[in-house]
Amino acid sequence: NAGVTQTPKFQVLKTGQSMTLQCAQDMNHNSMYWYRQDPGMGLRLIYYSASEGTTDKGEVPNGYNVSRLNKREFSLRLESAAPSQTSVYFCASAVQRSSYNEQFFGPGTRLTVL
Amino acid sequence: KQEVTQIPAALSVPEGENLVLNCSFTDSAIYNLQWFRQDPGKGLTSLLLIQSSQREQTSGRLNASLDKSSGRSTLYIAASQPGDSATYLCAVTDSNYQLIWGAGTKLIIKP
Repeated sequence: NAGVTQTPKFQVLKTGQSMTLQCAQDMNHNSMYWYRQDPGMGLRLIYYSASEGTTDKGEVPNGYNVSRLNKREFSLRLESAAPSQTSVYFCASAVQRSSYNEQFFGPGTRLTVL
Repeated sequence: KQEVTQIPAALSVPEGENLVLNCSFTDSAIYNLQWFRQDPGKGLTSLLLIQSSQREQTSGRLNASLDKSSGRSTLYIAASQPGDSATYLCAVTDSNYQLIWGAGTKLIIKP
């Protein structure tokens, strides 16, 4: 099993350009997440999807859109990239345990917006 | 609003030493606390999870403790090795079942 995969691994954009970050999982998990990680800060939740067909905003959703294409795939779109969106983006999928979601993370996408 | 803090931000120790990483949180209403390891260019790997009703968890050379009333957790690493070099993150599951993360401690073990 590949677990959680993300593409691309690296990306450089100019301000105003758009792009989509792809995430896929092969563990048959219902829940999927998008986080960003900035230097000196913890991971912050952008959007999550509790199940196929549903999406919800996290802590920092502004400037992003998401699509839960099917159970396997959860994409993150930047419509008009800004330098403040320079960050490392992590996708995760989760399985429900008794009192928490056990999350499994992809390797991340390092995005630079010039 | 739950806030998670990790001190120090970076730590460098000689190989073989025992060490302690610290994590504190502001709201004791948590379901659990997790410690993760992050290697450069890779995703995050869960090391230990402590349920809110537990005091500690152990895995090999790692021992994590939780004092919910004081809002503190420690990760103890015994007999450190160069392969332990990584960034260690703690995260709490809050009342909304979301993970709230600390900024991490970057650990370097010198051979």
